Amino acid sequence: GQQLNQSPQSMFIQEGEDVSMNCTSSSIFNTWLWYKQDPGEGPVLLIALYKAGELTSNGRLTAQFGITRKDSFLNISASIPSDVGIYFCAGLYNTDKLIFGTGTRLQVFP
Amino acid sequence: GAVVSQHPSWVICKSGTSVKIECRSLDFQATTMFWYRQFPKQSLMLMATSNEGSKATYEQGVEKDKFLINHASLTLSTLTVTSAHPEDSSFYICSATWAVRGTGELFFGEGSRLTVL
Repeated sequence: GQQLNQSPQSMFIQEGEDVSMNCTSSSIFNTWLWYKQDPGEGPVLLIALYKAGELTSNGRLTAQFGITRKDSFLNISASIPSDVGIYFCAGLYNTDKLIFGTGTRLQVFP
Repeated sequence: GAVVSQHPSWVICKSGTSVKIECRSLDFQATTMFWYRQFPKQSLMLMATSNEGSKATYEQGVEKDKFLINHASLTLSTLTVTSAHPEDSSFYICSATWAVRGTGELFFGEGSRLTVL
């Protein structure tokens, strides 16, 4: 079946550092999304990508949709403590169904 | 942004009992709602798609008789875990959209944590 693998699984960084995480798939997706989930909460949409090769920013976050449509990366610049959480990529299929990646757990130390 | 709310936030029940979780869209009419399940330190897994006024569509491997979904109005969908067992303990999350827009920009509820003793 479809599977989205994220790497790294977890990251421990110091406040102010830049972060990069990526997501790869065995299948092609026409839409990629990045979500952040805080403990005990539902995920919140960060960035949506609709075109292969597209590079989109949202504040300190930048995400790119890979040319092959099988991968995407998310960068966070100048990390701050509130960036702590789990970041999930998601691929859209069947119009509005999402398949989520395995997640990258980010910990930021002051 | 649009608001989706779940209730209860957490529930503890005895094995064998049934538990109902509600998902409400507070400021829009949700034609479609989705139910996900998330085990500790794992990803979200889609359980079923719920369209207002029709039967839910379940993903492969999800027992429809165990996880009863009702979407009786455009603002409310319910998930009932029947005869719950400890292995059903999980974080259940709903999401909603107001149209089949194909953008993936779904709004998620806060989640409901179920613990079955």
